Amino acid sequence: GQSLEQPSEVTAVEGAIVQINCTYQTSGFYGLSWYQQHDGGAPTFLSYNALDGLEETGRFSSFLSRSDSYGYLLLQELQMKDSASYFCAVRDQAGTALIFGKGTTLSVSS
Amino acid sequence: NAGVTQTPKFQVLKTGQSMTLQCAQDMNHNSMYWYRQDPGMGLRLIYYSASEGTTDKGEVPNGYNVSRLNKREFSLRLESAAPSQTSVYFCASSHRGASHEQYFGPGTRLTVT
Repeated sequence: GQSLEQPSEVTAVEGAIVQINCTYQTSGFYGLSWYQQHDGGAPTFLSYNALDGLEETGRFSSFLSRSDSYGYLLLQELQMKDSASYFCAVRDQAGTALIFGKGTTLSVSS
Repeated sequence: NAGVTQTPKFQVLKTGQSMTLQCAQDMNHNSMYWYRQDPGMGLRLIYYSASEGTTDKGEVPNGYNVSRLNKREFSLRLESAAPSQTSVYFCASSHRGASHEQYFGPGTRLTVT
């Protein structure tokens, strides 16, 4: 089956850089994606990695190493508004739905 | 475009009551999903519909039924609500089941007493 592990909480200060790790176990791999969810809100898609390497989208970057079954989300120049939960996700065995990790709560302080 | 809409936003039920959560999308997406979110448990898939006319069970389907009414609408029914079904329910859609980019609705906060 599929399983994902990510830290439950991360704290950082404004302007800093933070890395949120995700390790996964899957019977078939179709890529790793990341979602952001502000408290009480809907999850929103951030990024997707199908191949090894770094994908950059503004202040956010996502990395994948398929040989290590590992990826991370890198947030630079942290702002208070980045305080949220971040979820990694992989496709299920049938390849038709997403399985999410339990989420990492990021708290950014001034 | 409204994206994904869900009704109601909040609901309180007594144990044993039934209700249907409604979801609609206006993005012409083929695939739709129902998740529940509990503290510390992340998003868990209840049911999904890869395309109009098909539905499949997810990780936690017990106690729920779904209907893909048409391409736009995907409803979730609780036939006999239980306190364990107290949760936040999110509906989502994607262009196709193979897509990693899902669009989520605002959620329904359900309490069963």
